[in-house]
Amino acid sequence: GENVEQHPSTLSVQEGDSAVIKCTYSDSASNYFPWYKQELGKRPQLIIDIRSNVGEKKDQRIAVTLNKTAKHFSLHITETQPEDSAVYFCAASRGGSNYKLTFGKGTLLTVNP
Amino acid sequence: GAVVSQHPSRVICKSGTSVKIECRSLDFQATTMFWYRQFPKKSLMLMATSNEGSKATYEQGVEKDKFLINHASLTLSTLTVTSAHPEDSSFYICSVTTSGRGGTGYEQYFGPGTRLTVT
Repeated sequence: GENVEQHPSTLSVQEGDSAVIKCTYSDSASNYFPWYKQELGKRPQLIIDIRSNVGEKKDQRIAVTLNKTAKHFSLHITETQPEDSAVYFCAASRGGSNYKLTFGKGTLLTVNP
Repeated sequence: GAVVSQHPSRVICKSGTSVKIECRSLDFQATTMFWYRQFPKKSLMLMATSNEGSKATYEQGVEKDKFLINHASLTLSTLTVTSAHPEDSSFYICSVTTSGRGGTGYEQYFGPGTRLTVT
């Protein structure tokens, strides 16, 4: 089955700095890679996703890059703000409604004011 | 995105009792829903895939007789934890995929979760 590794497990940055979280996956058939943000006690929120037919996707301060050859993808957050502090999870899937997501172990991001 | 609700948000029960958790897709038809559990400071662990009108598919190591899943309609899936024990205490979250109108079938949207405490 799919295996997703996520690094780092914790990340602390100063407000305004950039943050990068990296994930690798093992299943070459995976073609959908979402990122979720989860605040304490709350549900995971989909913040951005990418499919294997593109290499990069950007939405305001958030971007995701995908290297299918190397089987890794990354989340980039620029101009970080304290409200970006949360746990971020990457995931991988073969896509479609019947394919399950395999999650990484999460990264606790702390943005210090 | 999609609007997903769960009920109850919190439940405390005594060991040996059964607890039912409901997951509702409020704004689209969900042929597939997923059930996860999450321990404190840990990742989401998939328990089972719930398919409308058919039996759920359980992940390896998840006891299907203990965690009963019923997906009776396109908007409702239920998870029943039978004969609950303290080790079943966890955060249970459902998700739906947007395979219906306006969706692509790729995205998963999560319910708010149910905090189960078994005493």
